[in-house]
Amino acid sequence: QKEVEQNSGPLSVPEGAIASLNCTYSDRVSQSFFWYRQYSGKSPELIMSIYSNGDKEDGRFTAQLNKASQYVSLLIRDSQPSDSATYLCAVKAGGFKTIFGAGTRLFVKA
Amino acid sequence: DTEVTQTPKHLVMGMTNKKSLKCEQHMGHRAMYWYKQKAKKPPELMFVYSYEKLSINESVPSRFSPECPNSSLLNLHLHALQPEDSALYLCASSQEASNLEQFFGPGTRLTVL
Repeated sequence: QKEVEQNSGPLSVPEGAIASLNCTYSDRVSQSFFWYRQYSGKSPELIMSIYSNGDKEDGRFTAQLNKASQYVSLLIRDSQPSDSATYLCAVKAGGFKTIFGAGTRLFVKA
Repeated sequence: DTEVTQTPKHLVMGMTNKKSLKCEQHMGHRAMYWYKQKAKKPPELMFVYSYEKLSINESVPSRFSPECPNSSLLNLHLHALQPEDSALYLCASSQEASNLEQFFGPGTRLTVL
């Protein structure tokens, strides 16, 4: 069974701090990794994609991938209350199927 | 146009009803997906269409029947649903089924009475 694991949280950080969200996956042949943000009652919104080892930065977001450790993370710098949401890690191993983690709830305190 | 649209936004149906959910994208994507999401759970894949052909059916009960009339449209026909089928139904699309990012529509909130 291919799995994607995330800490369910809630992760609570003060406004302006760095939020660090983590994800591990079980399938070593996984090739594509995604982070989605989902506000309550809304659909998932793609934030970042990462395909190779290392860091990828986009604005306040940085995705980090370590395939040897089967680990992917998302850092949110200068966290804002509007960042409060559930963050879904998603992994594609090849083929047509993307597997989602259960999500981490983030709460940014003003 | 970078949107995936879904109609209706909300749907309430009885167990004997027949209804359809609709999804449309105009991004030229060749892969489209149906997901089901229950509260506080991740999206669960139901169906994948690639180039208008059904590529994946995740052992979904036959009371859910997908249809892809053309590369821009995806339907989900519903018949004889159960109350436990109440969920948020999400449509997504991607450039190809084998790669890259999926973009989600706003979803249809389905309640089965």
